[in-house]
Amino acid sequence: NAGVTQTPKFQVLKTGQSMTLQCAQDMNHEYMSWYRQDPGMGLRLIHYSVGAGITDQGEVPNGYNVSRSTTEDFPLRLLSAAPSQTSVYFCASSYQSANTGELFFGEGSRLTVL
Amino acid sequence: AQSVTQLGSHVSVSEGALVLLRCNYSSSVPPYLFWYVQYPNQGLQLLLKYTTGATLVKGINGFEAEFKKSETSFHLTKPSAHMSDAAEYFCAVSVRDSTLTFGKGTMLLVSP
Repeated sequence: NAGVTQTPKFQVLKTGQSMTLQCAQDMNHEYMSWYRQDPGMGLRLIHYSVGAGITDQGEVPNGYNVSRSTTEDFPLRLLSAAPSQTSVYFCASSYQSANTGELFFGEGSRLTVL
Repeated sequence: AQSVTQLGSHVSVSEGALVLLRCNYSSSVPPYLFWYVQYPNQGLQLLLKYTTGATLVKGINGFEAEFKKSETSFHLTKPSAHMSDAAEYFCAVSVRDSTLTFGKGTMLLVSP
Protein backbone atom coordinates (compact mmCIF):
# COMPACT_ATOMS: atom_id res chain seq x y z
CA ASN A 1 0.00 0.00 0.00
CA ALA A 2 2.05 2.93 -1.30
CA GLY A 3 -0.14 5.86 -0.13
CA VAL A 4 1.38 9.20 -1.20
CA THR A 5 4.67 8.93 -3.09
CA GLN A 6 6.95 11.90 -3.68
CA THR A 7 9.99 12.04 -5.93
CA PRO A 8 12.76 13.00 -5.72
CA LYS A 9 13.52 12.87 -1.99
CA PHE A 10 16.50 15.21 -2.36
CA GLN A 11 17.40 17.74 -5.04
CA VAL A 12 20.00 20.48 -5.41
CA LEU A 13 19.39 23.19 -8.00
CA LYS A 14 21.18 26.29 -9.14
CA THR A 15 19.38 29.61 -9.18
CA GLY A 16 17.31 29.93 -12.34
CA GLN A 17 16.99 26.22 -13.04
CA SER A 18 13.59 24.60 -13.37
CA MET A 19 12.34 21.31 -12.03
CA THR A 20 9.22 19.33 -11.20
CA LEU A 21 8.46 17.63 -7.92
CA GLN A 22 6.31 14.60 -8.52
CA CYS A 23 3.43 13.46 -6.31
CA ALA A 24 1.29 10.38 -6.85
CA GLN A 25 -1.35 8.75 -4.66
CA ASP A 26 -3.03 5.39 -5.07
CA MET A 27 -5.97 5.93 -2.72
CA ASN A 28 -8.34 7.50 -5.27
CA HIS A 29 -8.35 10.74 -3.27
CA GLU A 30 -10.01 13.75 -4.85
CA TYR A 31 -8.18 16.38 -2.78
CA MET A 32 -4.43 16.91 -3.20
CA SER A 33 -2.19 19.70 -1.97
CA TRP A 34 1.38 20.92 -1.73
CA TYR A 35 2.91 22.47 1.39
CA ARG A 36 6.34 23.82 2.14
CA GLN A 37 7.90 23.48 5.57
CA ASP A 38 10.50 25.93 6.81
CA PRO A 39 12.06 26.06 10.30
CA GLY A 40 9.88 28.01 12.71
CA MET A 41 7.23 28.63 10.04
CA GLY A 42 5.16 25.48 10.20
CA LEU A 43 3.58 24.28 6.98
CA ARG A 44 2.33 26.75 4.41
CA LEU A 45 -0.04 25.83 1.61
CA ILE A 46 1.27 26.43 -1.91
CA HIS A 47 -1.43 25.04 -4.21
CA TYR A 48 -4.27 22.59 -3.92
CA SER A 49 -6.74 20.69 -6.08
CA VAL A 50 -10.21 19.39 -5.29
CA GLY A 51 -10.31 17.13 -8.34
CA ALA A 52 -8.89 16.45 -11.78
CA GLY A 53 -8.79 19.61 -13.86
CA ILE A 54 -9.26 21.94 -10.86
CA THR A 55 -6.45 23.77 -9.07
CA ASP A 56 -6.31 26.77 -6.79
CA GLN A 57 -3.73 28.89 -5.01
CA GLY A 58 -2.85 28.64 -1.36
CA GLU A 59 -0.99 31.01 0.92
CA VAL A 60 2.38 31.08 -0.91
CA PRO A 61 1.83 30.28 -4.62
CA ASN A 62 4.36 32.65 -6.23
CA GLY A 63 7.08 30.88 -8.17
CA TYR A 64 5.19 27.59 -8.38
CA ASN A 65 2.83 26.03 -10.93
CA VAL A 66 0.63 22.97 -10.66
CA SER A 67 -1.68 20.93 -12.87
CA ARG A 68 -4.05 18.04 -12.19
CA SER A 69 -4.67 16.02 -15.33
CA THR A 70 -5.44 12.79 -13.47
CA THR A 71 -6.83 11.93 -10.04
CA GLU A 72 -3.58 10.20 -9.09
CA ASP A 73 -0.94 12.81 -9.94
CA PHE A 74 -0.30 16.37 -8.79
CA PRO A 75 3.13 17.67 -9.89
CA LEU A 76 4.62 20.90 -8.57
CA ARG A 77 6.75 22.91 -11.00
CA LEU A 78 9.41 25.47 -10.15
CA LEU A 79 9.93 27.53 -13.30
CA SER A 80 12.99 29.51 -12.20
CA ALA A 81 14.33 28.39 -8.84
CA ALA A 82 15.40 30.96 -6.25
CA PRO A 83 17.30 30.47 -2.97
CA SER A 84 14.10 31.46 -1.11
CA GLN A 85 12.58 28.24 -2.41
CA THR A 86 15.03 26.14 -0.41
CA SER A 87 12.65 24.12 1.75
CA VAL A 88 11.09 20.73 2.44
CA TYR A 89 8.04 20.15 0.29
CA PHE A 90 5.18 17.88 1.28
CA CYS A 91 2.39 16.55 -0.86
CA ALA A 92 -0.80 15.57 0.95
CA SER A 93 -4.09 14.05 -0.14
CA SER A 94 -7.51 13.43 1.31
CA TYR A 95 -10.63 11.55 0.35
CA GLN A 96 -12.70 14.50 1.44
CA SER A 97 -11.84 18.15 1.36
CA ALA A 98 -9.09 19.04 3.79
CA ASN A 99 -11.35 20.59 6.41
CA THR A 100 -13.22 17.41 7.33
CA GLY A 101 -10.94 14.66 6.18
CA GLU A 102 -7.64 13.27 7.29
CA LEU A 103 -4.68 14.45 5.25
CA PHE A 104 -2.25 11.74 4.18
CA PHE A 105 1.28 13.07 3.70
CA GLY A 106 4.16 11.91 1.60
CA GLU A 107 7.63 11.64 3.12
CA GLY A 108 8.76 14.97 1.72
CA SER A 109 11.17 16.31 -0.88
CA ARG A 110 14.11 18.33 0.38
CA LEU A 111 15.12 21.02 -2.11
CA THR A 112 18.23 23.18 -1.91
CA VAL A 113 18.66 26.10 -4.30
CA LEU A 114 22.19 27.50 -4.53
CA ALA B 1 -9.24 34.11 7.68
CA GLN B 2 -8.44 31.52 10.31
CA SER B 3 -5.17 31.28 12.21
CA VAL B 4 -3.50 29.12 14.82
CA THR B 5 -1.08 30.00 17.61
CA GLN B 6 0.96 27.33 19.34
CA LEU B 7 2.49 28.53 22.59
CA GLY B 8 6.07 27.38 22.94
CA SER B 9 8.29 26.20 20.11
CA HIS B 10 9.84 23.61 22.45
CA VAL B 11 8.37 21.74 25.42
CA SER B 12 10.49 19.46 27.60
CA VAL B 13 9.07 16.79 29.90
CA SER B 14 10.39 13.79 31.77
CA GLU B 15 9.28 10.30 30.88
CA GLY B 16 6.05 9.56 32.78
CA ALA B 17 5.12 13.22 33.21
CA LEU B 18 2.04 14.97 31.87
CA VAL B 19 2.27 16.31 28.33
CA LEU B 20 0.46 19.59 27.61
CA LEU B 21 0.83 21.30 24.24
CA ARG B 22 -1.12 24.51 23.82
CA CYS B 23 -3.07 25.64 20.77
CA ASN B 24 -5.30 28.68 20.36
CA TYR B 25 -7.18 29.44 17.19
CA SER B 26 -8.86 32.40 15.58
CA SER B 27 -11.91 31.89 13.43
CA SER B 28 -15.05 33.88 12.73
CA VAL B 29 -17.09 30.71 12.17
CA PRO B 30 -17.13 27.31 13.91
CA PRO B 31 -13.82 25.66 13.15
CA TYR B 32 -12.61 22.17 12.49
CA LEU B 33 -9.48 21.48 14.55
CA PHE B 34 -6.68 18.98 14.15
CA TRP B 35 -3.46 17.82 15.76
CA TYR B 36 -0.77 16.25 13.57
CA VAL B 37 2.54 14.68 14.62
CA GLN B 38 5.79 14.61 12.65
CA TYR B 39 8.57 12.20 13.50
CA PRO B 40 12.10 13.00 12.22
CA ASN B 41 12.47 12.83 8.44
CA GLN B 42 8.86 11.81 7.94
CA GLY B 43 5.64 13.39 6.78
CA LEU B 44 2.88 14.41 9.14
CA GLN B 45 0.24 12.01 10.43
CA LEU B 46 -3.08 12.77 12.04
CA LEU B 47 -3.28 12.38 15.82
CA LEU B 48 -6.88 13.49 16.32
CA LYS B 49 -9.52 15.84 14.98
CA TYR B 50 -12.57 17.79 16.14
CA THR B 51 -15.30 18.49 13.63
CA THR B 52 -18.62 18.40 15.48
CA GLY B 53 -20.10 16.71 18.53
CA ALA B 54 -18.20 15.77 21.68
CA THR B 55 -15.68 18.41 22.64
CA LEU B 56 -13.23 15.94 24.22
CA VAL B 57 -11.54 14.08 21.41
CA LYS B 58 -9.38 11.00 21.85
CA GLY B 59 -6.63 10.18 19.39
CA ILE B 60 -3.92 7.66 18.78
CA ASN B 61 -1.10 6.82 21.20
CA GLY B 62 -3.06 7.96 24.28
CA PHE B 63 -3.37 11.62 23.27
CA GLU B 64 -6.52 13.65 23.68
CA ALA B 65 -7.61 17.24 23.16
CA GLU B 66 -10.54 19.34 24.33
CA PHE B 67 -12.27 21.96 22.23
CA LYS B 68 -13.11 24.99 24.41
CA LYS B 69 -15.04 27.53 22.41
CA SER B 70 -15.07 30.14 25.19
CA GLU B 71 -11.27 30.04 25.36
CA THR B 72 -10.74 29.45 21.59
CA SER B 73 -8.39 26.64 22.57
CA PHE B 74 -7.66 23.07 21.55
CA HIS B 75 -4.84 21.94 23.84
CA LEU B 76 -3.29 18.50 23.42
CA THR B 77 -2.62 16.32 26.48
CA LYS B 78 -1.28 12.93 27.40
CA PRO B 79 -1.20 11.73 31.03
CA SER B 80 2.19 10.03 30.87
CA ALA B 81 4.92 10.80 28.36
CA HIS B 82 6.89 8.06 26.67
CA MET B 83 10.25 8.39 24.98
CA SER B 84 8.59 7.50 21.68
CA ASP B 85 6.40 10.64 21.94
CA ALA B 86 9.38 12.85 21.11
CA ALA B 87 8.40 14.54 17.86
CA GLU B 88 7.07 17.82 16.48
CA TYR B 89 3.37 18.49 16.93
CA PHE B 90 1.26 20.76 14.76
CA CYS B 91 -2.15 22.19 15.51
CA ALA B 92 -4.28 23.04 12.47
CA VAL B 93 -7.59 24.76 11.81
CA SER B 94 -10.01 24.82 8.93
CA VAL B 95 -13.40 26.31 8.24
CA ARG B 96 -15.82 25.72 5.40
CA ASP B 97 -13.35 26.08 2.53
CA SER B 98 -10.89 23.43 1.44
CA THR B 99 -7.70 24.63 3.09
CA LEU B 100 -6.04 23.70 6.35
CA THR B 101 -3.95 26.29 8.22
CA PHE B 102 -1.15 24.94 10.40
CA GLY B 103 0.50 26.44 13.44
CA LYS B 104 4.27 26.82 13.60
CA GLY B 105 4.72 23.61 15.55
CA THR B 106 5.91 22.56 19.01
CA MET B 107 8.86 20.24 19.44
CA LEU B 108 8.28 17.82 22.32
CA LEU B 109 11.45 16.63 24.04
CA VAL B 110 11.20 13.68 26.43
CA SER B 111 14.03 12.94 28.85
CA PRO B 112 14.57 9.68 30.72
